[in-house]
Amino acid sequence: EVQLVESGGALVQPGGSLRLSCVASGFTFGDFAMNWVRQAPGKGLEWISFISRVSSPIYYAESVEGRFTISRDNARNTLFLQMNSLRVDDTAVYYCASDSPVSGHFDYWGQGTLVTVSS
Amino acid sequence: DVVMTQSPLSLSVTLGQPASISCRSSESLVYSDGKVYLNWFQQRPGQSPRRLIYKVSYRDSGVPDRFSGSGSGTDFTLKIARVETEDIGVYYCMQGTHSRTFGQGTRLEIK
Repeated sequence: EVQLVESGGALVQPGGSLRLSCVASGFTFGDFAMNWVRQAPGKGLEWISFISRVSSPIYYAESVEGRFTISRDNARNTLFLQMNSLRVDDTAVYYCASDSPVSGHFDYWGQGTLVTVSS
Repeated sequence: DVVMTQSPLSLSVTLGQPASISCRSSESLVYSDGKVYLNWFQQRPGQSPRRLIYKVSYRDSGVPDRFSGSGSGTDFTLKIARVETEDIGVYYCMQGTHSRTFGQGTRLEIK
C-alpha cells in the first residue's frame, strides 16, 4: 500500500523557520518526482514546489521562491521542505504528493501537516 | 502564469442526477510531447485530495466509472453520470503542462 506521511508542522512566529518531512512507503520512492502542495484554511490548493527523481531540476512557486528549499533523500525514502522567513500567509496544511512516471502529476497524497504562523 | 478557471464554483445536485464541472485554461495545455496534462481531483470534507482523472480522460484505479473527463486545448469538463452521497466535496482541475496550477475549486452538495 502506498503511503506518504508528512510531519514537522507546528506553530511558529513570523520570521521563523520550520522543516517538514514526508516519508514514503509502498513504492520505489526514487522512481517518482515529488511535490509540496499547500492549502490555507478554507481555501483552495496551491502547488509550491517540485523536485525531480534525482534532485534536479527543482522548481518553486513565486510565493515561496527564495524562502523555501525542497530536497530529498532517496536512501531514506524521505522528502523535505525547509521553510525560512515564514509569514502569516504561509499558514496552511502542507501536503506532499508524488508524480507517477506513468500517469503523471499528484497521483498519491499524504494526509498533510499543519503549519501555523502567528505571533 | 497559466490561469485555470472553473465553473460553477458551487453545485447543488439531486441524488442520482448528473453533474458537470467546466475548467478553462488561459493557454493551450498541449505539451511539446503532444499530450495534455489536465487532471481532476476530489477533496472530501476533512480529507486529503485524491486524483480522479489524469491526462484529460484517464480514470485512476478505483475511481467509479460514473466519473468521466473530456476536453481539449483550453476547455475541459468533469462529468458525474449519477451523483451519489459519497461524491460530496470540492473538485479541482489542475494543469501540469506549464508548471502546475489548480483551479479555484467547485463545491458539490446534495440538493
